[in-house]
Amino acid sequence: NAGVTQTPKFQVLKTGQSMTLQCAQDMNHEYMSWYRQDPGMGLRLIHYSVGAGITDQGEVPNGYNVSRSTTEDFPLRLLSAAPSQTSVYFCASSLYGRDYEQYFGPGTRLTVT
Amino acid sequence: AQKVTQAQTEISVVEKEDVTLDCVYETRDTTYYLFWYKQPPSGELVFLIRRNSFDEQNEISGRYSWNFQKSTSSFNFTITASQVVDSAVYFCALSESYSGAGSYQLTFGKGTKLSVIP
Repeated sequence: NAGVTQTPKFQVLKTGQSMTLQCAQDMNHEYMSWYRQDPGMGLRLIHYSVGAGITDQGEVPNGYNVSRSTTEDFPLRLLSAAPSQTSVYFCASSLYGRDYEQYFGPGTRLTVT
Repeated sequence: AQKVTQAQTEISVVEKEDVTLDCVYETRDTTYYLFWYKQPPSGELVFLIRRNSFDEQNEISGRYSWNFQKSTSSFNFTITASQVVDSAVYFCALSESYSGAGSYQLTFGKGTKLSVIP
């Protein structure tokens, strides 16, 4: 049982490049979400999904896209990377939703130069 | 205004001291949920506790205890006889039915960094 996995662990991008952060869970959780963690800011919700085919925006969605074609996968796409997107990104899943325990992935540290 | 305020940015204690991490929240809902998560230096986030707004009983789990007071909108976390392994950043979080412009949000505080000195 791998839980929530994220790839890559580290990534360096140049301004304007695009990339996809991968997130997968093997717990059959319906609810998945993406957060970014910046120093002194806590975790801020980027996008979330309550099930396959359903996504919605969180607090800081600009510059990011998501899709949820399967229950297991919830990739986060950076359309045109900017230095302001330098952050640590966490994917999380929950069996019953945001009102319940979230299981977090190990995070992806992204640097945009 | 912040929905979840953790006023203590950093705390240092000597091993075996007790320490309390404060969390104050703001919500218009009558039904909501509060959480504490731990982020050790390795970086992963670990769930510690979940409390719903109708259950004001304090909870104890080993050296950890939580004090939930609706009257003061606080959900404080106490570590008794702290140990070096308790060194981490601790986040308080709030899940509410209505969160204004962004629904279905789980809002985290900015975290308190606890350093336990041997």
